[in-house]
Amino acid sequence: QSVLTQPPSVSGAPGQRVTISCTGSSSNIGTGYYVHWYQQLPGAAPKLLIYDNYNRPSGVPDRFSGSKSGTSASLAITGLQAEDEADYYCQSHDDRLSGSGVFGTGTKVTVL
Amino acid sequence: EVQLVQSGAEVKESGESLKISCKTSRHTFSTYWIGWVRQMPGKGLEWMGIIYPGDSDSRYSPSLRGQVTISADRSISTVFLQWSSLKVSDTAMYYCASTTEPRGFFDYWGQGTLVTVSS
Repeated sequence: QSVLTQPPSVSGAPGQRVTISCTGSSSNIGTGYYVHWYQQLPGAAPKLLIYDNYNRPSGVPDRFSGSKSGTSASLAITGLQAEDEADYYCQSHDDRLSGSGVFGTGTKVTVL
Repeated sequence: EVQLVQSGAEVKESGESLKISCKTSRHTFSTYWIGWVRQMPGKGLEWMGIIYPGDSDSRYSPSLRGQVTISADRSISTVFLQWSSLKVSDTAMYYCASTTEPRGFFDYWGQGTLVTVSS
């Protein structure tokens, strides 16, 4: 059972905005660890989408944005496109796990 | 760009040992930490552990410490994940990935190695 909780699924029509929450606690996100986000397309390896809370790697569209507040973080996708249909995971670290990394439970984004 | 090339799929029986690999360039090997991530069938990602190949400093998820061993061979710029006695529950896709620090993000990923363990 992950210490970072995400909604199992979110959906939206093309062009809409969807957000995915990542809820942690005072031992992980709340203690200052960065939050990162990954996109996993069906049958593929995960891909880094957002790092250090809100930064986008080169090549990631600016439709994807990240934020963090307190013990939670969020990923927003604006102008939803069919190719955004994938699983999304947040990731951070946790002091109660000796500083080891943790992934969120994962969210399936469906484009209607 | 960092490239991580993993070994091929494995089919094993419960109780057998296994060592899978993740090969990278000499530069990456001496600069980055390499981690392993497990994804059981139909499930989410799980952070297993990481190693700094330069000095073999390794860190494990508490839930997996003692269950697997992460090692590195500098002569062939390769990182390994090994089991001494596989269980059916070890059936999963295993990814290696690179990070610049032990509490950082994974910026490059291998293609994955599917391990299937039967009883």
